[in-house]
Amino acid sequence: RKEVEQDPGPFNVPEGATVAFNCTYSNSASQSFFWYRQDCRKEPKLLMSVYSSGNEDGRFTAQLNRASQYISLLIRDSKLSDSATYLCAKPHGSSNTGKLIFGQGTTLQVKP
Amino acid sequence: NAGVTQTPKFRILKIGQSMTLQCTQDMNHNYMYWYRQDPGMGLKLIYYSVGAGITDKGEVPNGYNVSRSTTEDFPLRLELAAPSQTSVYFCASTALGQGQPQHFGDGTRLSIL
Repeated sequence: RKEVEQDPGPFNVPEGATVAFNCTYSNSASQSFFWYRQDCRKEPKLLMSVYSSGNEDGRFTAQLNRASQYISLLIRDSKLSDSATYLCAKPHGSSNTGKLIFGQGTTLQVKP
Repeated sequence: NAGVTQTPKFRILKIGQSMTLQCTQDMNHNYMYWYRQDPGMGLKLIYYSVGAGITDKGEVPNGYNVSRSTTEDFPLRLELAAPSQTSVYFCASTALGQGQPQHFGDGTRLSIL
């Protein structure tokens, strides 16, 4: 089993819809996880950090469920511009290397 | 504040040629990373560095070399380019310590023909 797994999608939703992605993980006692957004042929950009208490930024809400070992990303009132691939990431092991393990990404397509 | 800067943005190489992908960051980050991303695939770690003078292999290091003579710069070298190295290469950096996000450069798109 991969340490970080995501449903690749694509998730096709109409504008204005609410959509949620999950990312399951294993082998982590980490206090923080991350959601990145990656547009086609562009670099990943940090969307949100996810801590035990969750995180909210405008239309985006991220939560951590330690018992079931997953993090979630909720997007409300989807915009066409939200179309992208969303990567989740967690720290690699316990060594202080700063390495992250990335999921394969979930593709979101918002339709007019 | 430029962040992480990669050059060149695009390059076409012939099989067997060599080149160096440049990466520099101005955030005084100790930790730096090189990834490759093939079409439709995830990020694969090639090499990383936890500080000047220290480098280590990631999951796909074969065919590549790195050096870290300064905190700012982390070049990636391809010695004998092969078609399998056609990919998009991203450099990233992070601040000291666990639990920090990585910040990415905008990538180098490399084709080997």
